[in-house]
Amino acid sequence: DGGITQSPKYLFRKEGQNVTLSCEQNLNHDAMYWYRQDPGQGLRLIYYSQIVNDFQKGDIAEGYSVSREKKESFPLTVTSAQKNPTAFYLCASTPGQWYTEAFFGQGTRLTVV
Amino acid sequence: KNQVEQSPQSLIILEGKNCTLQCNYTVSPFSNLRWYKQDTGRGPVSLTIMTFSENTKSNGRYTATLDADTKQSSLHITASQLSDSASYICVVSAGGTASKLTFGTGTRLQVTL
Repeated sequence: DGGITQSPKYLFRKEGQNVTLSCEQNLNHDAMYWYRQDPGQGLRLIYYSQIVNDFQKGDIAEGYSVSREKKESFPLTVTSAQKNPTAFYLCASTPGQWYTEAFFGQGTRLTVV
Repeated sequence: KNQVEQSPQSLIILEGKNCTLQCNYTVSPFSNLRWYKQDTGRGPVSLTIMTFSENTKSNGRYTATLDADTKQSSLHITASQLSDSASYICVVSAGGTASKLTFGTGTRLQVTL
């Protein structure tokens, strides 16, 4: 089955630690995205990548980093510089940059303890 | 600033009843509008897309409308089922690229017996 796989589903992190969220897709999509979802707010774009080895900051990139070394993979690192990292993180993909239907993974819930 | 506002914030209805969710947007340049369904703890899934020239579109028991003049959209759910319990998110695209999506905060619908 084609789709987007995010892992882990739940993640706990101590303050001051970096943590990496995994996102893998087998849809052969060129573009991938990371969003953050908080209660009472719409999804906000963290980073996106339209092609391998290239990525762009979204609206709330501070405290996050990404890489895109393979077409299928777009991991997100939440660094200790992110002031309020507890949130639900969603990875998405589109066939290319000029498509607007985003296909989402099942999300990772990150909790800082 | 592009914005998408949804109402009501939450809604409880009896199984078998109809309901209508509202979306108002100020997004420029407007490309299209999608309604997504998001089950709790899962990623959103696209239900329907509305482009500038479309007024009404149906997908099973879901019917979306768009009034581009007043910048309003609605999602009507007919003969609700328990499985309709979810958050419904209105998403507007500016410029035809997924990197410029504006997400509403969603309407949380609960269908009860």
